[in-house]
Amino acid sequence: GQQLNQSPQSMFIQEGEDVSMNCTSSSIFNTWLWYKQDPGEGPVLLIALYKAGELTSNGRLTAQFGITRKDSFLNISASIPSDVGIYFCAGQQASNYQLIWGAGTKLIIKP
Amino acid sequence: NAGVTQTPKFQVLKTGQSMTLQCAQDMNHNSMYWYRQDPGMGLRLIYYSASEGTTDKGEVPNGYNVSRLNKREFSLRLESAAPSQTSVYFCASSVQGPYEQYFGPGTRLTVT
Repeated sequence: GQQLNQSPQSMFIQEGEDVSMNCTSSSIFNTWLWYKQDPGEGPVLLIALYKAGELTSNGRLTAQFGITRKDSFLNISASIPSDVGIYFCAGQQASNYQLIWGAGTKLIIKP
Repeated sequence: NAGVTQTPKFQVLKTGQSMTLQCAQDMNHNSMYWYRQDPGMGLRLIYYSASEGTTDKGEVPNGYNVSRLNKREFSLRLESAAPSQTSVYFCASSVQGPYEQYFGPGTRLTVT
């Protein structure tokens, strides 16, 4: 099935660093969603984006709906240990009831 | 509010056995979903129910059946389990449509 290209696959971060990740596709999306999953838990919704160019924040997290409608970005500022986990993007297209999911970006804290 | 609850949390089955995974939500949501998650992969939709009384196939429906019992409950049945169905299963719900979905804690299923 169709997939979103999510990058990077994983990243090592130091506490206090800013983090950026993105999701891209060759197709246009109407909605972008960003989720975080902790080990052994279900994904938790972080940010929802509904309009091209939209920039939305949730605490230290900021996400943007790309102007071309084919991509989305998530930034985390001043990372802390509890930011560790897997971040997923998901998109919805006009012609498709189902969400399409990226494979995730795993955030790991450098020891 | 408990949100989305799933039972059981863990299950081990032998090949050929059947079982039903239960899901309930207390958020008065109309739409419900069943996903599976395999190591290193994103979520894949098995079945969904856009509203009470309707169910539709997702990306990977083979080997599964679902029942939308009422507005709160959506169950997933494996009639004859296979090792390829070893996975973590998540139930989710949304107010209406595939937008902001809220997930349960998951059921970890192993088929031997």
